[in-house]
Parts: sequence; C-alpha cells; structure tokens
Amino acid sequence: GDSVTQMEGPVTLSEEAFLTINCTYTATGYPSLFWYVQYPGEGLQLLLKATKADDKGSNKGFEATYRKETTSFHLEKGSVQVSDSAVYFCALSVEPAGNKLTFGGGTRVLVKP
Amino acid sequence: NAGVMQNPRHLVRRRGQEARLRCSPMKGHSHVYWYRQLPEEGLKFMVYLQKENIIDESGMPKERFSAEFPKEGPSILRIQQVVRGDSAAYFCASSPLSGLEEKLFFGSGTQLSVL
Repeated sequence: GDSVTQMEGPVTLSEEAFLTINCTYTATGYPSLFWYVQYPGEGLQLLLKATKADDKGSNKGFEATYRKETTSFHLEKGSVQVSDSAVYFCALSVEPAGNKLTFGGGTRVLVKP
Repeated sequence: NAGVMQNPRHLVRRRGQEARLRCSPMKGHSHVYWYRQLPEEGLKFMVYLQKENIIDESGMPKERFSAEFPKEGPSILRIQQVVRGDSAAYFCASSPLSGLEEKLFFGSGTQLSVL
C-alpha cells in the first residue's frame, strides 16, 4: 500500500536557521505530493504541492522538490521565524483517489527567538 | 466565507457512550472527508462522502462507526459504544469537487477523550 515516512521531531531551531524536514514515500501509482502545516489549535493548511517529477512547490519561503528517483519530497526553508513553529505533515495521493490523502506522522518544529 | 466548522472542539465520553461529531463544510462544498489522528501519529483517512452518499468508507472501522452527510445540515461522524482506543483528534475536510486539483480545506478538529 501507499505510505509516507517523515523524520520524527521535535525539531528545535533558532530564528533564521535553515530548516529541512525529510519525507520519503512509497506509492502503487504515480502520486501527487503535498506538505501541510498545522498551527497550534488549528486545522491543517495546504503549504505546497507538486504533481509530477522534478516539480518544485513553494510557498511562504518553503520549498520542496518532487524527486522520483529517490522517492522523496523534502521540505526546506532558508531562514525560519518563530511564527513557523507548527507541525508539518507530508502527504501523497494517487489518482483516482483524489483528495483521499495518505499522511506521514508529522514533524513538530519549534523555532526559538 | 466561514471555513470548515467542526463541533464540539472537545468531547469527553465514558466508555460505552455514544459520540457524535459534526462538520459543516465550507459554503458551496459538497465533498466531505473525515480523518482520524491518533496520538503521535499522522492523519488516517476514514470516509469520503458527498451529499446523501458515502463514496469511500475504506478507512472506517467495521463496527461502531458510521458517517452521514444529509441533504440539509452538517456531516455527522457517529461512534457508538466508545472505547479508550477511540480517543483521538477527528478532522473533517471539504472541497467543492473531488479531483486532486481541488484544494482540501480542513476544520480545526474535534478532540475526543474517552474515560
């Protein structure tokens, strides 16, 4: 079956540090890949997505590149802020599943001033 | 335009009681998804509904769990005879259409605690 593995947290960083969260996947078909973010007390929000190999998704300074050869979709941000403290989830979906997503376990990120 | 509304935010039940979780999708959205997040785990798909129809319930436990999305009113996730293992955060998401091109909007979740 489909699965997503992402690095366990918590990840604690200082403000302006570089952030990387690793995500790898296995899929029976050709997946679309997503990163969702969950701020404290809120629901998940789509951060970025990529639908085919070598696509780069980007939003709010975050980037992730769809690497088919390594089945990875690592999330990066060059300079984090305190407001980036949240839980980040990597996810995939394979058509015709549509919005039926398979999520990784989530990575909690804490950015300290 | 209000987002996806879930209530209650927190629900406490004793073992053997029933839990009813409500989800009002965004205006204009006719597709609803329920996900469950067990402690320290990622979200797991439970069920996908359109108005008055269950499209995919492959993630629903075979017993005690049911879901509906009536023509009028919110979607309801119902858990009968709750057990401690049902304690989790239950998230609802909605979209206007079913394809991947349509963005999913998540509610803030209902935290169910079974004593």
